[in-house]
Amino acid sequence: GAVVSQHPSWVICKSGTSVKIECRSLDFQATTMFWYRQFPKQSLMLMATSNEGSKATYEQGVEKDKFLINHASLTLSTLTVTSAHPEDSSFYICSATLTDSYNSPLHFGNGTRLTVT
Amino acid sequence: QKEVEQDPGPLSVPEGAIVSLNCTYSNSAFQYFMWYRQYSRKGPELLMYTYSSGNKEDGRFTAQVDKSSKYISLFIRDSQPSDSATYLCAMSAIPDGSGNTGKLIFGQGTTLQVKP
Repeated sequence: GAVVSQHPSWVICKSGTSVKIECRSLDFQATTMFWYRQFPKQSLMLMATSNEGSKATYEQGVEKDKFLINHASLTLSTLTVTSAHPEDSSFYICSATLTDSYNSPLHFGNGTRLTVT
Repeated sequence: QKEVEQDPGPLSVPEGAIVSLNCTYSNSAFQYFMWYRQYSRKGPELLMYTYSSGNKEDGRFTAQVDKSSKYISLFIRDSQPSDSATYLCAMSAIPDGSGNTGKLIFGQGTTLQVKP
């Protein structure tokens, strides 16, 4: 099956610093990747859609200057949390589809647990 | 009202029991239905994918979709302790330019605990 790899799996950073999270599709090319955020005991909240070679599309309420997304190749998308604050502490998960079809199911990475102190 | 409603549980059952997990939804345009399993501190794993109404079976798992009632179910037979996880339903509609974007809408997730 499709494999999506996410790195790091957990990170602790100090308030005010920036953190970069990588998402890779290991055995397929993904023109579109998605970034989600999940708080404890809550469902997944879509943050943005990452498009290879173009700007990401952010969901309403998500600060694009704070959550920088770069999709420089067909197998790699990165999410950078800039000037992190404790309220940014969360579980961030990326996903991708095997095809660009709207009905193609999502395959998720294993997530990155971010703790901002 | 949320587009997708899912009882968060937790649901606790003995090993070997049949488990029924359910979601209701309000958008009649949803046509693609998925169930994901998420272990603690891990990303969701796709379990079942169905289109429109009907049943789909895969091993101990059966997914049912009743579009007339806007209700989907996931049944787990002979449940095992390793099935203990959070189960998320998700669904999407064909993009139509009038509000349906094709993006996946997730339920809140039901936490299942299977006791040995």
